[in-house]
Amino acid sequence: QQPVQSPQAVILREGEDAVINCSSSKALYSVHWYRQKHGEAPVFLMILLKGGEQKGHEKISASFNEKKQQSSLYLTASQLSYSGTYFCGTDSTPYAGGTSYGKLTFGQGTILTVHP
Amino acid sequence: NAGVTQTPKFQVLKTGQSMTLQCAQDMNHNSMYWYRQDPGMGLRLIYYSASEGTTDKGEVPNGYNVSRLNKREFSLRLESAAPSQTSVYFCASRGGTEAFFGQGTRLTVV
Repeated sequence: QQPVQSPQAVILREGEDAVINCSSSKALYSVHWYRQKHGEAPVFLMILLKGGEQKGHEKISASFNEKKQQSSLYLTASQLSYSGTYFCGTDSTPYAGGTSYGKLTFGQGTILTVHP
Repeated sequence: NAGVTQTPKFQVLKTGQSMTLQCAQDMNHNSMYWYRQDPGMGLRLIYYSASEGTTDKGEVPNGYNVSRLNKREFSLRLESAAPSQTSVYFCASRGGTEAFFGQGTRLTVV
């Protein structure tokens, strides 16, 4: 089952902040965030692991509430380059130290538009 | 470093025709995925392969089959294409926390 993202679309002016939310009905081991520019492939932004570890982008932060199976992506002081569609991905596979991974399921996306 | 390569980039099929979408990665990743992207629906998982020799259904597997040919290659087959399968298809591979996507195949079924 796909995670649910909100809002579906956000319009900002440069320098404004935005929050994108992601929730799942399943227990999660990690939450991924990706950004897709029009006509291009999705690109990794960051991952939040169960237990609090984060890896990823310098200027974008996120939170992961394991108990509520929710994550939020925080875009502060937005730039024109932040425009695109943001996807959260959820992984119900525990990391056992191996290099094989299970299902990675994405939400329906949030379209972010930043104007000058 | 090519990453994930999908072929073809564009394809038009007639209803009922069959075709195979090819995907290859050169990053020595164990796990590979096929997604379809439709407006307003996000990325929906069709099939995935956690490791060579294994494949599992995703959320929307009906009408598709997959083959994990070897560690590098993961193909998606449409046996009898339908207009509902008109979409952009993405292949991805994962060897760590990050998934890498191919550039996509835009498929139109008429």
